[in-house]
Amino acid sequence: DAGVIQSPRHEVTEMGQEVTLRCKPISGHDYLFWYRQTMMRGLELLIYFNNNVPIDDSGMPEDRFSAKMPNASFSTLKIQPSEPRDSAVYFCASSLARGSSYNEQFFGPGTRLTVL
Amino acid sequence: AQSVAQPEDQVNVAEGNPLTVKCTYSVSGNPYLFWYVQYPNRGLQFLLKYITGDNLVKGSYGFEAEFNKSQTSFHLKKPSALVSDSALYFCAVRLYSSASKIIFGSGTRLSIRP
Repeated sequence: DAGVIQSPRHEVTEMGQEVTLRCKPISGHDYLFWYRQTMMRGLELLIYFNNNVPIDDSGMPEDRFSAKMPNASFSTLKIQPSEPRDSAVYFCASSLARGSSYNEQFFGPGTRLTVL
Repeated sequence: AQSVAQPEDQVNVAEGNPLTVKCTYSVSGNPYLFWYVQYPNRGLQFLLKYITGDNLVKGSYGFEAEFNKSQTSFHLKKPSALVSDSALYFCAVRLYSSASKIIFGSGTRLSIRP
């Protein structure tokens, strides 16, 4: 398996533009997580899904952020409109709620977002 | 409230010496505890976990961690540090009864000098 795949790896955009981050979880995993990492706030959980259904979005900072998981192999995190304070590294992770790797989260390489 | 604390922002160790990265937690109920490592410009990688059983857990790259219920600690250890161990280390906790959501500590930067 190729692991968790995220695209793009780097995104530079201007304030006010829409940004869409993409994630493909590991095949067969039933949980998907979106995190944001910054120097100031560390690693924050934004939202997570179980079997494509959003379970907890309490970490989503504002209405400008939205996430979807239309099927088991794809998720998006959208920021509209983007602001400079959204600049961060965004990670997607997936996990399997059974078996020997129970609850181990597998992280993607991240998307480094810079909003000018 | 459920939380995890890493009291040291940075730990510096000479190569070949033992290392310890500290973690304490606060949960009600039985915890699941994890350690992850992050190398520069990479995502987090799972190192080891404690769910139940033996208090000493062995993981990847020669790391181990000791669960201490009375001190609510889960310190990461390695008998002999390597320069390649230099990275950012995160402790994390999950309630047994919760639905897979885990909380990460603030991270400890481990620096191994040759």
